[in-house]
Amino acid sequence: DGGITQSPKYLFRKEGQNVTLSCEQNLNHDAMYWYRQDPGQGLRLIYYSQIVNDFQKGDIAEGYSVSREKKESFPLTVTSAQKNPTAFYLCASSHAGQGGTGELFFGEGSRLTVL
Amino acid sequence: DAKTTQPPSMDCAEGRAANLPCNHSTISGNEYVYWYRQIHSQGPQYIIHGLKNNETNEMASLIITEDRKSSTLILPHATLRDTAVYYCIVRVAPGDKIIFGKGTRLHILP
Repeated sequence: DGGITQSPKYLFRKEGQNVTLSCEQNLNHDAMYWYRQDPGQGLRLIYYSQIVNDFQKGDIAEGYSVSREKKESFPLTVTSAQKNPTAFYLCASSHAGQGGTGELFFGEGSRLTVL
Repeated sequence: DAKTTQPPSMDCAEGRAANLPCNHSTISGNEYVYWYRQIHSQGPQYIIHGLKNNETNEMASLIITEDRKSSTLILPHATLRDTAVYYCIVRVAPGDKIIFGKGTRLHILP
């Protein structure tokens, strides 16, 4: 079935460690997004990519990095520079440009806890 | 910053229509209005979208004012399963930067 898959679902890390969250989609979408959500809060945009080998910073990119080497993959690295990394991370994808409804498809999320 | 404003929470009796407002007074002529909902600890789910005409699908109806500065999402017969956070966003085109606000937490009362 077509969809967007995030892994791992739960992740624990020690302070000072980098961690990479995986996001894979088989929907043939050009655009992909990473959001962060803290308890009781809305979604905040970290990074987004409209095409392979290109990405832009969102509102809270500091302490995060991404790559877009393949159309179907958009991994997010939470670096040790991110001061408060404990959060729920959501990946999404959509068509870019004309065509399609433009709706966002979300993964099930990855919950990161820093010990 | 988000381009939309929504009330932080609302209550609705089960079986009644839930009407969720959204203000987007700075919307541009080519920006669409999209609605999503998020059930606890899951990824948001697409509900409906529109440009200037009212829209209806199997989940909900979207009413956009003539000046496009506000809209209302209508869940015609709310059930307990509609308890969620509802987000209204505006966007120009698929693939562009998409900013979410804090949404409206809808409580369906039995």
